[in-house]
Amino acid sequence: TQLLEQSPQFLSIQEGENLTVYCNSSSVFSSLQWYRQEPGEGPVLLVTVVTGGEVKKLKRLTFQFGDARKDSSLHITAAQPGDTGLYLCAGDNAGNMLTFGGGTRLMVKP
Amino acid sequence: NAGVTQTPKFQVLKTGQSMTLQCAQDMNHEYMSWYRQDPGMGLRLIHYSVGAGITDQGEVPNGYNVSRSTTEDFPLRLLSAAPSQTSVYFCASSQGRRRGTQYFGPGTRLLVL
Repeated sequence: TQLLEQSPQFLSIQEGENLTVYCNSSSVFSSLQWYRQEPGEGPVLLVTVVTGGEVKKLKRLTFQFGDARKDSSLHITAAQPGDTGLYLCAGDNAGNMLTFGGGTRLMVKP
Repeated sequence: NAGVTQTPKFQVLKTGQSMTLQCAQDMNHEYMSWYRQDPGMGLRLIHYSVGAGITDQGEVPNGYNVSRSTTEDFPLRLLSAAPSQTSVYFCASSQGRRRGTQYFGPGTRLLVL
């Protein structure tokens, strides 16, 4: 069973602060996806990273895929209350299943 | 397009009861899947289907059955509900599974007493 460990599990910060969320595994993934989930809703895809070392930016969010394709990070610059939610990473092992991490619950206080 | 729809939104069952969670998508997606979400455990795959007539087990299939008679529908059946099946259930679909966007439904909250 491939495991994805996310850290931290919980994060509470003030508006304007920066933060980084990590997604780590001992397994290699062909690609990795990041989702955000708001209360009472299903996850929504933010980005897919495919190439080792790849960096993708989505406004204030920066996603990086590790060189060995075993880990990924999500960095948020100048967090806003609208960034509050559950962030999930999911690894694609080139089979028919995605493996999800346990999630990071982020709260940004105004 | 409605995207992925799930019914019911909430359900309370007694131990031993059976029920079917409905999932439908109107995007003509080939791949559909069912996940359960429990606190601190992210999403765990129950069953998935790569097309009509084809289903396979995911990570936690015990206690659940699925069928895929049409491209649009992918119901999840609990034959004899147990308290351990209390969870939030999400259905998802994608055009192609690899590197494709997974579209999730709004979820069904299930409580088994």
